Amino acid sequence: NAGVTQTPKFRVLKTGQSMTLLCAQDMNHEYMYWYRQDPGMGLRLIHYSVGEGTTAKGEVPDGYNVSRLKKQNFLLGLESAAPSQTSVYFCASSYWASGTNTGELFFGEGSRLTVL
Amino acid sequence: QQQVKQSPQSLIVQKGGISIINCAYENTAFDYFPWYQQFPGKGPALLIAIRPDVSEKKEGRFTISFNKSAKQFSLHIMDSQPGDSATYFCAASMRKTSYDKVIFGPGTSLSVIP
Repeated sequence: NAGVTQTPKFRVLKTGQSMTLLCAQDMNHEYMYWYRQDPGMGLRLIHYSVGEGTTAKGEVPDGYNVSRLKKQNFLLGLESAAPSQTSVYFCASSYWASGTNTGELFFGEGSRLTVL
Repeated sequence: QQQVKQSPQSLIVQKGGISIINCAYENTAFDYFPWYQQFPGKGPALLIAIRPDVSEKKEGRFTISFNKSAKQFSLHIMDSQPGDSATYFCAASMRKTSYDKVIFGPGTSLSVIP
């Protein structure tokens, strides 16, 4: 059982270049998320999706776009990369537990992006 | 107020000692408080969690203490081991209309030395 898989694991971009990070989950989870992790700031939510074909903005959405064309996949795009987007990006998924908040997220291993 | 505060930023503990990490929140709408453990090069993974109607939860060497009136909670790691060396994130979660919103603290880097 692979869980949550992210590709690529490492990427170096020049300012202004574009790229897409791919996240795939095999747990049939409805909800998927993209976080960025920066030193001393914890994990901040970029965008999330509550189901196939739906996306919504999180805490720090500027400069990013997302798409969820299939339930198992969630793509994060950077149209014009900036040095401030140098970070480690984590994809996560979760399920909806009827009647109770579980708050449990299942994370991938991360994608380290450097923008020069 | 959606912020979750966490301290200390880093912690060094002798093997066999007790590691203590503290967190605080403001919003009383939070109803689930998980702790995540992250090893270098890996994603965070759920370690232990508590709901606000319980004052303490213990799983093996890991214990969460919860003070609802003070809006504070803490993680205690008893008999700390070098294998516990990792970054620990506390979090607070609330149920929204369509998903469970999770807010993370900034993290604590724990080093357990032999």
